[in-house]
Amino acid sequence: KQEVTQIPAALSVPEGENLVLNCSFTDSAIYNLQWFRQDPGKGLTSLLLIQSSQREQTSGRLNASLDKSSGRSTLYIAASQPGDSATYLCAVRAEAYSGAGSYQLTFGKGTKLSVIP
Amino acid sequence: NAGVMQNPRHLVRRRGQEARLRCSPMKGHSHVYWYRQLPEEGLKFMVYLQKENIIDESGMPKERFSAEFPKEGPSILRIQQVVRGDSAAYFCASSPRTGSEKLFFGSGTQLSVL
Repeated sequence: KQEVTQIPAALSVPEGENLVLNCSFTDSAIYNLQWFRQDPGKGLTSLLLIQSSQREQTSGRLNASLDKSSGRSTLYIAASQPGDSATYLCAVRAEAYSGAGSYQLTFGKGTKLSVIP
Repeated sequence: NAGVMQNPRHLVRRRGQEARLRCSPMKGHSHVYWYRQLPEEGLKFMVYLQKENIIDESGMPKERFSAEFPKEGPSILRIQQVVRGDSAAYFCASSPRTGSEKLFFGSGTQLSVL
């Protein structure tokens, strides 16, 4: 059974600092991994999706890396801003028997980020 | 193009009542997924539906919970005889088809059972 762990559970940094959020998963047979942002009272916003064959994806100040063999992913946020304050969720999609992606996502509990002005 | 719409945003029920949560997928999306987020827990898969079909309900509790996605109208997650342990945020997501695509999530329904 796939388990996804995110460390730390909460993080507080001053504005402008670069930071790394960690995600680990127990079963390396994944199809892809997705990072989401969750704001209080709002839904999940997809930030980056990395296919199992990829090493990293970048979008603006965000960079996500994937080491499938070791079961790890990191989300790097450069030059953090107060608007980055949110909970960041990591979710993995397993490989289905057909070779395509399973339709279920397994989520971590998230890292709650606070960026202090 | 409106996103995934869920209503109500907040729902309060007393123990024993029924809760009905609605989800309208994004335009052009025919696949709907329901997830539940219990306090201090990660989101857990509940059920996957296509129009008029339940594809996988392996994450649904065996009793009191049901889901449907009719040919016309939104997907409905129904919880009968609610108990306090049902209090959670229920999220709906949609996609145009299964596979490796991103899921698009709604804002969720926060269910509180008194």
